[in-house]
Amino acid sequence: AQKVTQAQTEISVVEKEDVTLDCVYETRDTTYYLFWYKQPPSGELVFLIRRNSFDEQNEISGRYSWNFQKSTSSFNFTITASQVVDSAVYFCALSEWAGANSKLTFGKGITLSVRP
Amino acid sequence: NAGVTQTPKFQVLKTGQSMTLQCAQDMNHNSMYWYRQDPGMGLRLIYYSASEGTTDKGEVPNGYNVSRLNKREFSLRLESAAPSQTSVYFCASSEIGGVAFFGQGTRLTVV
Repeated sequence: AQKVTQAQTEISVVEKEDVTLDCVYETRDTTYYLFWYKQPPSGELVFLIRRNSFDEQNEISGRYSWNFQKSTSSFNFTITASQVVDSAVYFCALSEWAGANSKLTFGKGITLSVRP
Repeated sequence: NAGVTQTPKFQVLKTGQSMTLQCAQDMNHNSMYWYRQDPGMGLRLIYYSASEGTTDKGEVPNGYNVSRLNKREFSLRLESAAPSQTSVYFCASSEIGGVAFFGQGTRLTVV
């Protein structure tokens, strides 16, 4: 069964600090997809990144970067020089490639608070 | 661009009442999902439908039923609401392995 663990529940940092959000996943499939979503205080869910299991290249998008390591089943998310607008709940998610039985499973989320 | 539309946005029910949450997507996605979000519990999958005509239980299906009416629509029904079903409900759609798009959420309170 697929599972996503976000061991950190709440993180508080001061603006301009770097912060890393951890994500560990479990799956029996060799083909799967990993995601990060952001939920700001307004409540909507915003897609940040999708990564397939065959692409272990790290990705950088502005102040955001993602480190995918199959050897440790981790897909960690780093925010560099955090800003108050980064305050949100961040979810890691996993979708196995299981044809008609594919489903999207989320971790419990990490609440990030960035203080001015 | 409508994306995923779910209704209603807010609802208050009395214990034992029934209601149906509606969800429709206009992206021609095969997969649709219903999640509930509770403090500290993340997004838990209630039911999902990988394609038109199929539905499967997720992590927390008890007390709910679903209908995949057609490719666009996926409804969630509470037959006899209980206070434990007070939550925020999200509908989502995607292609298999693709990015999931979410509705705005329904805040349901059962008193």
